Amino acid sequence: DQQVKQNSPSLSVQEGRISILNCDYTNSMFDYFLWYKKYPAEGPTFLISISSIKDKNEDGRFTVFLNKSAKHLSLHIVPSQPGDSAVYFCAAPLYSGAGSYQLTFGKGTKLSVIP
Amino acid sequence: NAGVTQTPKFQVLKTGQSMTLQCAQDMNHNSMYWYRQDPGMGLRLIYYSASEGTTDKGEVPNGYNVSRLNKREFSLRLESAAPSQTSVYFCASSVRATGEQYFGPGTRLTVT
Repeated sequence: DQQVKQNSPSLSVQEGRISILNCDYTNSMFDYFLWYKKYPAEGPTFLISISSIKDKNEDGRFTVFLNKSAKHLSLHIVPSQPGDSAVYFCAAPLYSGAGSYQLTFGKGTKLSVIP
Repeated sequence: NAGVTQTPKFQVLKTGQSMTLQCAQDMNHNSMYWYRQDPGMGLRLIYYSASEGTTDKGEVPNGYNVSRLNKREFSLRLESAAPSQTSVYFCASSVRATGEQYFGPGTRLTVT
């Protein structure tokens, strides 16, 4: 049963516009969320994170919003650039016992920014 | 500072063959992980090592074994490869279990 869900497999956005990537989660115990970006033939790279004590975290063109009551987070990219074209993964650490955590990932959303 | 390195980059195996995927990190991270990525499935955790000397199963451990050789190195072994293990394998490391993970470039494995 997927605990982190990205329901949109793909998204196309015009260059300069806003990209909004969505992520839903089912486990109310999650208290920290991460976004990763992945280019083809490369490993994922960390993009931005948010703690559940916040509802927004911003880093340059990237902002993540967290709505705990809706169990929803979103990544906003403003303005979108062609270099942002990649697959974006939402992830959350899941406690697995004995002080260990597993990072559980969504299936990813492929963003295409059209010049 | 190379970060996380993986060898090999590509591998083709026949069903039943064995192989070991190597991973090393030079960031002095405590935790290391092995994932597989399949089309439409996201990243699924195979095994992880929260600290040197410990290993634990992840979501999809069947058919795999791991060794945390030292703090730097974490290897993944396929004892008898099956076509269902055709995938891209990523190794990752992190300072602490809940922190951001740093990924290697991946190994693309095909089992025929």
